Amino acid sequence: QLQLRESGPGLVKPSETLPLTCTVSGGSIARSSNYWGWIRQPPGKGLEWIGSIHYSGSTYYNPSLKSRLTISVDTSKNQFSLKLSSVIATDTAVYYCASGPRTSADYWGLGTLVTVSS
Amino acid sequence: QSVLTQPPSASGTPGQRVTISCSGTSSNIGSNYVSWYQHLPGTAPKLLINRNNQRPSGVPDRFSGSRSGTSASLAISGLRSEDEADYYCAAWDDSLSGQVFGGGTKLTVL
Repeated sequence: QLQLRESGPGLVKPSETLPLTCTVSGGSIARSSNYWGWIRQPPGKGLEWIGSIHYSGSTYYNPSLKSRLTISVDTSKNQFSLKLSSVIATDTAVYYCASGPRTSADYWGLGTLVTVSS
Repeated sequence: QSVLTQPPSASGTPGQRVTISCSGTSSNIGSNYVSWYQHLPGTAPKLLINRNNQRPSGVPDRFSGSRSGTSASLAISGLRSEDEADYYCAAWDDSLSGQVFGGGTKLTVL
């Protein structure tokens, strides 16, 4: 059974870069056909897909975030990461990492709250 | 404004059957699988239905999904108090080359 766990700063200043890492256990990123992705939920709002990556390197990004977003994978650490640059207050959200085929998120992390504030 | 359209709320009494709709377009629901998620406050969302109507292991058969054209629906039969949660539909969108979610439906068990 795959388990995912998010880690990163809980507070980021406006205009800075938000870095998050998802550590995967119970399976290998490099031996899976799954996609590895990020989904967020701003306070009081619904779920928003951020983007995903396959270990082969192919990536898909939400068009509204694409210019600020980088998702990468480190197979040696069995981790994948998100970097969102030039953050603003509306980037405040619970960020989840998730995995599954391209069409669904079968496994989820518990989520981590990131607040953008000076 | 979500790409997929869901009613903001739904309700039912214990034992009832409720359905939640999800409306999209030919570039998402009309040509790709739909998945459904249950989200309880403070927890991780849980996959209820994938590939339009497939239940992952451990999901009760009270939950069922269907798709017709550019719309999909989630049905919950034998409603229980623990079903009170937010429900989201999602699908891949070929035009956006990404996943899109519905705005979510808050289910209240009266």
